Amino acid sequence: AQSVTQPDIHITVSEGASLELRCNYSYGATPYLFWYVQSPGQGLQLLLKYFSGDTLVQGIKGFEAEFKRSQSSFNLRKPSVHWSDAAEYFCAVVAMDSSYKLIFGSGTRLLVRP
Amino acid sequence: DAGITQSPRHKVTETGTPVTLRCHQTENHRYMYWYRQDPGHGLRLIHYSYGVKDTDKGEVSDGYSVSRSKTEDFLLTLESATSSQTSVYFCAISGGTSDQETQYFGPGTRLLVL
Repeated sequence: AQSVTQPDIHITVSEGASLELRCNYSYGATPYLFWYVQSPGQGLQLLLKYFSGDTLVQGIKGFEAEFKRSQSSFNLRKPSVHWSDAAEYFCAVVAMDSSYKLIFGSGTRLLVRP
Repeated sequence: DAGITQSPRHKVTETGTPVTLRCHQTENHRYMYWYRQDPGHGLRLIHYSYGVKDTDKGEVSDGYSVSRSKTEDFLLTLESATSSQTSVYFCAISGGTSDQETQYFGPGTRLLVL
């Protein structure tokens, strides 16, 4: 069965430092992958997605992610974190059945030190 | 932002009472989904719909039913609420003409069952 793992429950970085959030998936073929961000009390906002093509994808708010098939990973990066980036981040993969449902990782909460 | 609204946004109810949550979209998307979000679990699919009157179960469907009588509305009903159904409920839509797989989320409904 397809699954998504986000190994880091919490990550703390200093403002201005770089960020990498890890995501690993299990799926035999090329997956459709997403990163969403959720601020406290809010819904989920799409940051970026990967379907095919260039393995480095750019998203909103200065985020990027790199798809690495050999490592079954889709890590999210940002070169310089802002205090407003503090939120919870979810990686997800589309189920390859007729539902197109999303299978989510358990999320990584990002804390930003001033 | 995708035109998705959820009502109510907050609800407190007692064990054993019926509860209905509403999701309304203005995007004319084919697919609609109900997820629940609980700490440590990310989001898990309850039910989804792939068209008017066409629905199917997700991974945590026990105790929930859904209905979709119009393209724009997807209702989630807890027939007899239990404390284990205390959660945040998110509606999502997908199936836009240019991008079938990307899901867009509503703002969520916070439900407390006492």
